[in-house]
Amino acid sequence: GAGVSQTPSNKVTEKGKYVELRCDPISGHTALYWYRQSLGQGPEFLIYFQGTGAADDSGLPNDRFFAVRPEGSVSTLKIQRTERGDSAVYLCASRHSGTGSYEQYFGPGTRLTVT
Amino acid sequence: DAKTTQPPSMDCAEGRAANLPCNHSTISGNEYVYWYRQIHSQGPQYIIHGLKNNETNEMASLIITEDRKSSTLILPHATLRDTAVYYCIAARQTGANNLFFGTGTRLTVIP
Repeated sequence: GAGVSQTPSNKVTEKGKYVELRCDPISGHTALYWYRQSLGQGPEFLIYFQGTGAADDSGLPNDRFFAVRPEGSVSTLKIQRTERGDSAVYLCASRHSGTGSYEQYFGPGTRLTVT
Repeated sequence: DAKTTQPPSMDCAEGRAANLPCNHSTISGNEYVYWYRQIHSQGPQYIIHGLKNNETNEMASLIITEDRKSSTLILPHATLRDTAVYYCIAARQTGANNLFFGTGTRLTVIP
């Protein structure tokens, strides 16, 4: 079946602009995660959804970052007033939380460049 | 979650076994050891996980010491496609189960 998909694959924006990054999880996966990966570093947790609700948003760096998952499937990560330090690969992962399985399945990521 | 320590890089000859070590001396009793890998320009990929028993699947074997303070991921016959960054993660199987990746081990398989 289809894996996790993320769009766009690349996004270049100017400092101060607003961006939205989209994640389509694997069908039926109720858990969804956003991570951010800077060059040379491992992915860093941002936010976790269980269904429609953000169950853990402790990794969001500040209030410019927000994420939604209104119908419990597709999620959008929103970044306001982008800064050059926001440049990174944003990864989405999903997990089927009802099977006792804890493996997370990752998408290919969106590379965000803020100029 | 417990912190893990891995060597920054390793080389392995193609066709030989790759043994990737991980220290997790502060791991708690309910934390599992997970291994993921990340091939260049791709998202991380789950490999294997275990609590205290050794585990094997089609990708790899996981050997966990009896005191659970360290583990080794074994790729029995490394191929060039196994070149990647390998992450060892200690995580509970409750709640969010969000993963702390660290910087991992960059494995290079040499022809």
